[in-house]
Amino acid sequence: DIQMTQSPSSVSASVGDRVTITCQASQGISSWLAWYQQKPGKAPKLLIYAASSLQSGVPSRFSGSGSGTDFTLTISSLQPEDFATYYCQQANSFPLTFGGGTKVEIK
Amino acid sequence: EVQLVESGGGLVQPGGSLRLSCAASGFTFNSYAMSWVRQAPGKGLEWVSVITGSGGSIYYADSVKGRFTISRDNSKNTLYLQVNSLRAEDTAVYYCAKGRTVTTPYFEYWGQGTLVTVSS
Repeated sequence: DIQMTQSPSSVSASVGDRVTITCQASQGISSWLAWYQQKPGKAPKLLIYAASSLQSGVPSRFSGSGSGTDFTLTISSLQPEDFATYYCQQANSFPLTFGGGTKVEIK
Repeated sequence: EVQLVESGGGLVQPGGSLRLSCAASGFTFNSYAMSWVRQAPGKGLEWVSVITGSGGSIYYADSVKGRFTISRDNSKNTLYLQVNSLRAEDTAVYYCAKGRTVTTPYFEYWGQGTLVTVSS
């Protein structure tokens, strides 16, 4: 099974800050990676797929990069509605696996 | 508009069973693979199982293999998850999820979830 390791597990940031979250796969997954945002009590929302493709309707301040084993989600200018938990997910092979999550909190 | 509506959760004793359902609408159901993803209280996301549009291919997480069975009824646009031999660690919100395209396992649409609580 492919293990997905996210870091940091939490980050405190202010509105307007640039936030970067990393995700490392235990083996190469090409660009088969997605990023999700989840707010308390809600289902996850797809932000990025294929490592760097922005899902329709998602603000352009979100971007993804990477391939192989190392990936990054960047929020260029944090907005109040972005405080949430973020997960990466590999889609290279079954079983599909998620990272442990990164909680973005208000500083 | 795509809609996924889960049902069937509840309180069950260890060793018990439930059948979860996910009613789908707004897309050509039989063309899409569908998955179940769960989330234990306060924990992260865990993929559980997937079934292809025709039902011809099925995969499970190791943690549920042999205890859970995924199925679908394309005539009713409904996805199922039969959960047997339940354990305390199966307590979670169970989401059904639809892939972004027919083939890619990126989850574009999710239901609201149904809570399964395993406790005596």
